[in-house]
Amino acid sequence: AQTVTQSQPEMSVQEAETVTLSCTYDTSESDYYLFWYKQPPSRQMILVIRQEAYKQQNATENRFSVNFQKAAKSFSLKISDSQLGDAAMYFCAYRSAWGGNTPLVFGKGTRLSVIA
Amino acid sequence: DAGVIQSPRHEVTEMGQEVTLRCKPISGHDYLFWYRQTMMRGLELLIYFNNNVPIDDSGMPEDRFSAKMPNASFSTLKIQPSEPRDSAVYFCASTTGREYSNQPQHFGDGTRLSIL
Repeated sequence: AQTVTQSQPEMSVQEAETVTLSCTYDTSESDYYLFWYKQPPSRQMILVIRQEAYKQQNATENRFSVNFQKAAKSFSLKISDSQLGDAAMYFCAYRSAWGGNTPLVFGKGTRLSVIA
Repeated sequence: DAGVIQSPRHEVTEMGQEVTLRCKPISGHDYLFWYRQTMMRGLELLIYFNNNVPIDDSGMPEDRFSAKMPNASFSTLKIQPSEPRDSAVYFCASTTGREYSNQPQHFGDGTRLSIL
């Protein structure tokens, strides 16, 4: 079974600074997808960014980018120019590429605080 | 576009009562997932459906839990009888599925369930 580990329960960053959230995963599969979801206090689950394992290029969405290291099974999220609205729980998630659209396996999350 | 719609948003009930959570997936989506979020266990899959058929219910905690999807636009998660340990946030998510599809799951706003 696949597992996802987020080793930083809490992180903080100064407004306008850059922060990196860590995520590692364990799998024997070669094809899969990785996601970062944001959960603000409103408890919505908002997709931040996604990465296909077969793509070597790291995904980028505006101020959000990932560092995907397939051999190391690492998938970190970098938030640049942090804003107060970035304060939330961030979940890393894994999905197998086999068997249709399979369920997500989540890490335990990292709570990000943004300091004004 | 309407997103995934869950009801109720909050539910408070007494132990032993029947609880029914409802979900309307995004139109055209053929996969539907029920997840549960607790402080101790994080986000975990309960059950998921493809084309209204349950595919994997191994995450359903026990016989007190049941889920149905009578048609493509509606699903229910029922707990009978409810217990205090069932208190959690329950999320419904939907997506469209194809092999090697990177389509993300879209989440509803969740139902916060409190069993007294």
